[in-house]
Amino acid sequence: EAGVAQSPRYKIIEKRQSVAFWCNPISGHATLYWYQQILGQGPKLLIQFQNNGVVDDSQLPKDRFSAERLKGVDSTLKIQPAKLEDSAVYLCASSLVQGARAEQYFGPGTRLTVT
Amino acid sequence: GQQVMQIPQYQHVQEGEDFTTYCNSSTTLSNIQWYKQRPGGHPVFLIQLVKSGEVKKQKRLTFQFGEAKKNSSLHITATQTTDVGTYFCAPLRDDKIIFGKGTRLHILP
Repeated sequence: EAGVAQSPRYKIIEKRQSVAFWCNPISGHATLYWYQQILGQGPKLLIQFQNNGVVDDSQLPKDRFSAERLKGVDSTLKIQPAKLEDSAVYLCASSLVQGARAEQYFGPGTRLTVT
Repeated sequence: GQQVMQIPQYQHVQEGEDFTTYCNSSTTLSNIQWYKQRPGGHPVFLIQLVKSGEVKKQKRLTFQFGEAKKNSSLHITATQTTDVGTYFCAPLRDDKIIFGKGTRLHILP
């Protein structure tokens, strides 16, 4: 079974530039999550999708971050414009069923550096 | 609000020694998950605990959920170099899994 795929793996941009990350969840997984992990901290949930609908985006900085899940499969996370404090690893995860009790499978992440 | 603390933040142990990390909450938890993240890697699901007093074992790893469901622990017996990484407890809050800061385990050969 293929795992969660993410691209790119690394990205370096200057502040005020835009960036987009892509995620392909495990086939058949209805729930998709985007997390931000700052160095030395645990992952912080940004947004959760159930199929192509948003379940929770309460911690997504909506003035600069946006996310969509096309046709309930792939997802993209965009930052526009980026700030220095956005430097982090952006992790995508998916689960077979909805709900926080579900085991989450994480992708390798995209390491973003904002200079 | 619910406060969850994971201790210690860092732990250095000699290979072969035991290791324990604790997750403590100020309020009752409905469930808790544990994840491991290797250096440079991504979190990997280890276990989920739901019942009061629950104890689950995975080879050298023993997971416990307190009787009051306010704390949990992960114990590793006879650590090996492959155990290196950060161990996160992730309790359920408002129907969301919230990751703690984790305990970073370093193994001395």
